[in-house]
Formats: sequence, C-alpha cells, structure tokens
Amino acid sequence: QSVLTQPPSASGTPGQRVTISCSGSSSNIGNDYVYWYQQLPGTAPKLLIYRNNQRPSGVPDRFSGSKSGTSASLAISGLRSEDETDYYCAAWDDSLSGWVFGGGTKLTVL
Amino acid sequence: QVQLQQSGPGLVKPSQTLSLTCAISGDSVSSKSAAWNWIRQSPSRGLEWLGRTYYRSKWYTGYAVSVKSRITINPDTSKNQFSLQLNSVTPEDTAVYYCVRSEQWLNNWGQGTLVTVSS
Repeated sequence: QSVLTQPPSASGTPGQRVTISCSGSSSNIGNDYVYWYQQLPGTAPKLLIYRNNQRPSGVPDRFSGSKSGTSASLAISGLRSEDETDYYCAAWDDSLSGWVFGGGTKLTVL
Repeated sequence: QVQLQQSGPGLVKPSQTLSLTCAISGDSVSSKSAAWNWIRQSPSRGLEWLGRTYYRSKWYTGYAVSVKSRITINPDTSKNQFSLQLNSVTPEDTAVYYCVRSEQWLNNWGQGTLVTVSS
C-alpha cells in the first residue's frame, strides 16, 4: 500500500484536459513539495513537475501541477496519444525520513 | 550531465544477498549537495524508496523501515560509485532496482536492474 494515494486509472480523448490527484498527509505533501514523474514502459521514471508546479526544461506547458494542503494534482491539457503512460507523485516524508510515492495512475487516451 | 550506470546479477537465490553497484559519471559520490539513493519497483509494492547515503563533512546513511534490518548502502570514493546490499532475500524482493541521485528531488535515475529472487 503506497503512502500517497492516486487513482489507478484516468482517461480522456485527444485534445481534452485530464487531472490526476495525489493525496497525502501533513508529514509529506502537507509539509513539503510534490513531484510528478512520467514513466514510459521499460524505462525509469522521468521528472515532469518539481516543487509543486515547476516544469523542467523540455517538458511541454501542457503539463501543470498544483498543491493545496495535503493534496496535489497533475493536469494535462491538449491530451495527445503519446501521453498514454503511467504517472507517479512523490514527496519527502519527514516522519519516515524518506521518499514516498503514489501507487501510480495509468492514463489512457481514448 | 550526470549519468548512473548500474551493474549486478539479475538472479539471486532465496536467503542469499542481493548486491548491486551504481557507477557515477558527471558528479562525485562525495558531493556535498547530492544524495545517492536506491529505489525499487514491483507490481505488488509500486515504487519503494530503500535508502540513501550522502556526504556532509562526514558520511550519513538512512534506510526505509521496511528493510532497515537487511540493507546496507555504501559509498566507494575510490571508484566513484555506491552499492546496495540486501540480505536474506525472499521472492517478495523481486523488483526492478534503480539507483538515483537526488539534490532537492530525485533528479537522475539509473537504467534499472530487474532482480529476480528464485531458486
């Protein structure tokens, strides 16, 4: 059971906007930044969003992040077929003194 | 640009020790701003942080509670690498293992090593 809670699946049609939620607690999301990773099959996770809402260079502005209290969201606008893959949220947990992750959300582009 | 290259066996027998190494290029294992982590991923447990080592005038390590009694992460300054040892493995330890460099977040990931625990 993952420390952070994500929906196991999400879906949308091309061009649509979808959001993926991530719920935590006061010892992780409520006390620190949230990070989002995209994982293509057979590859390591790739940083998509850092410090709640910042995009690394090279990440399209279709991807955006937000945080409120002990929850966070990843939004993908203008959905494209290549966005169909797995997404994970992560945060540092002060109580556990380690990184914690969501269980991952598999995004399907219909 | 930081790159991490993992090496180690892909098959380990139950009750034996899992050993992996992560060679670093583009940074130093003794960096005073980075930490060196091991993370694993399996269908049953998802992404799981195992532990880290880092240097801040002296060496520090930190381990996840779930593996604390069985794990050792060591830096090797002579080879600019760090290692993972996980003792007394069971089939539940079967996973893809990643070495990961972090500064303020998990920046750079190794290529991943599938380790299967089976006789």
